[in-house]
Amino acid sequence: DTGVSQDPRHKITKRGQNVTFRCDPISEHNRLYWYRQTLGQGPEFLTYFQNEAQLEKSRLLSDRFSAERPKGSFSTLEIQRTEQGDSAMYLCASSRGQGWTEAFFGQGTRLTVV
Amino acid sequence: DQQVKQNSPSLSVQEGRISILNCDYTNSMFDYFLWYKKYPAEGPTFLISISSIKDKNEDGRFTVFLNKSAKHLSLHIVPSQPGDSAVYFCAASANTNAGKSTFGDGTTLTVKP
Repeated sequence: DTGVSQDPRHKITKRGQNVTFRCDPISEHNRLYWYRQTLGQGPEFLTYFQNEAQLEKSRLLSDRFSAERPKGSFSTLEIQRTEQGDSAMYLCASSRGQGWTEAFFGQGTRLTVV
Repeated sequence: DQQVKQNSPSLSVQEGRISILNCDYTNSMFDYFLWYKKYPAEGPTFLISISSIKDKNEDGRFTVFLNKSAKHLSLHIVPSQPGDSAVYFCAASANTNAGKSTFGDGTTLTVKP
């Protein structure tokens, strides 16, 4: 069990550019979650997958955001035409998905839009 | 409208004493509650949880209490240790999906030696 892995750890991009983040969940976990955290606040739910199906998206996830989980393994989160307000920590988590089981979080990708 | 609130942004206690972190929620649909701990530059780490059918859950030095009528939960750490210094997040879930949680803004606990 190597834990949830996120890449990159840090990303600085210019406003208007597209960025993509990757998350590798714990291998036996079938649920995968994306959260966003800004300074001084708790994580905010963005979306989650059960296997390869995206089952729920938050209203926070604007049309510029898209997430995929092909083959039900790793996931990517893409932000198009980044804005300064997108600057945040993007956290990925996974869980076994059966019953009440907690989520295991990765270390996050810190995005800075300049 | 924040559905999970941690009204104390920070708490400082002496080593060996009890730390009590509080959390209030507004959504009656929440039926599972979790506490996560977060160190700088790391993701949140699960600490302890409680379902709405219980009013107390204990794990070593950590105990979570749930008062459903008051929509309030608390985390007790006793005795507190300097290594407990971290940000503690209260989170609430519904519909057996504990991974999809609504988080509070956290309480920074400092345990002084």
